[in-house]
Amino acid sequence: GQQVMQIPQYQHVQEGEDFTTYCNSSTTLSNIQWYKQRPGGHPVFLIQLVKSGEVKKQKRLTFQFGEAKKNSSLHITATQTTDVGTYFCAGGGYGNKLVFGAGTILRVKS
Amino acid sequence: ETGVTQTPRHLVMGMTNKKSLKCEQHLGHNAMYWYKQSAKKPLELMFVYSLEERVENNSVPSRFSPECPNSSHLFLHLHTLQPEDSALYLCASSQARRGPDTQYFGPGTRLTVL
Repeated sequence: GQQVMQIPQYQHVQEGEDFTTYCNSSTTLSNIQWYKQRPGGHPVFLIQLVKSGEVKKQKRLTFQFGEAKKNSSLHITATQTTDVGTYFCAGGGYGNKLVFGAGTILRVKS
Repeated sequence: ETGVTQTPRHLVMGMTNKKSLKCEQHLGHNAMYWYKQSAKKPLELMFVYSLEERVENNSVPSRFSPECPNSSHLFLHLHTLQPEDSALYLCASSQARRGPDTQYFGPGTRLTVL
């Protein structure tokens, strides 16, 4: 079945440093979604990418969808303590099913 | 506040108990989902209801039984659970279209099975 791999599993950065998490699918995706889960919270939708090679920005966050629509990345510039949490990618396959990656836990040292 | 509520927020139960988790969405969506979130594991999709019809069951053990009486309410009935079933159970909803759509999650129920 469809699998979505996400790396790294965990990253601890100094405040102000950049952060990137990568997502790879075993199959071509119809879309890729990114979610953020704060400690003790629930996943909250950040963005959806649909087109091959698409790049979207939200303030300090940059999201990319690969040309082959099998990989994606989330890059945070100059991390802040408010960026702490787990970032999940979720690949859209058949029907309404989303396959989630295992998530990358981000910790920020101030 | 995402418009998806779940009760209870925390639940402790013994292996012989029967309990139910409840989810309600106020977003006018027509698809609802149950996910299981365990430590160090990806979110596991358990059940999907689209237009009140169950369309997926990822080989979930029969001790978990979903119920979707209408498009706004979703239940997960639990009986004779095992300690390894302890996890955060998340409900989500979306507007079902042709393809996966944005999912709005509830706050979850933290379940502990003793």
